[in-house]
Amino acid sequence: EPEVTQTPSHQVTQMGQEVILRCVPISNHLYFYWYRQILGQKVEFLVSFYNNEISEKSEIFDDQFSVERPDGSNFTLKIRSTKLEDSAMYFCASVSSTDTQYFGPGTRLTVL
Amino acid sequence: AQKVTQAQTEISVVEKEDVTLDCVYETRDTTYYLFWYKQPPSGELVFLIRRNSFDEQNEISGRYSWNFQKSTSSFNFTITASQVVDSAVYFCALSEGRNAGNMLTFGGGTRLMVKP
Repeated sequence: EPEVTQTPSHQVTQMGQEVILRCVPISNHLYFYWYRQILGQKVEFLVSFYNNEISEKSEIFDDQFSVERPDGSNFTLKIRSTKLEDSAMYFCASVSSTDTQYFGPGTRLTVL
Repeated sequence: AQKVTQAQTEISVVEKEDVTLDCVYETRDTTYYLFWYKQPPSGELVFLIRRNSFDEQNEISGRYSWNFQKSTSSFNFTITASQVVDSAVYFCALSEGRNAGNMLTFGGGTRLMVKP
């Protein structure tokens, strides 16, 4: 069964550094998403992406964040200058033809 | 604005007990989708069920069942004969609009602990 994959599973970085989180959505899906979950809290929407552009974004998704689909398979989330409060689990999701969002296993980002 | 409330932050049961996880939602849209996801200790989000606002039929899948009531804006989830492997955080989520692929708004989650 096809799955959404994410790399790395855990990323540790210093405050102020740039990080890129990578996702490979399920191949025939067209909508892609990033969510984040601060430890012990709810899952929060960051951004949705369709047809090579952002379709919706939340207040969390400020100028420090960007998304890209550089090669037709990968879907990346970049944080330009990480802050301590960016420490969270980041989930990628993609949408099937039945309109269900399937999530990847997540990347745990730790900012020191 | 859409909102999902899971009032039970933590539930503890003994194996084989039945347990119901509550979910109450708020939306101004007449068309919307409701979901349940399971987050086991390993951290991934596992899709369990999707329901659209026009389908109030209850659904049963093995030991899992879901009760959707528009009159009370609730979408509750029952596990019968719970097992230790059911221990996880369960999230209820809502997406507004005709496209279930719209952004999901999650509830705060209910941590279920099933003890042997």
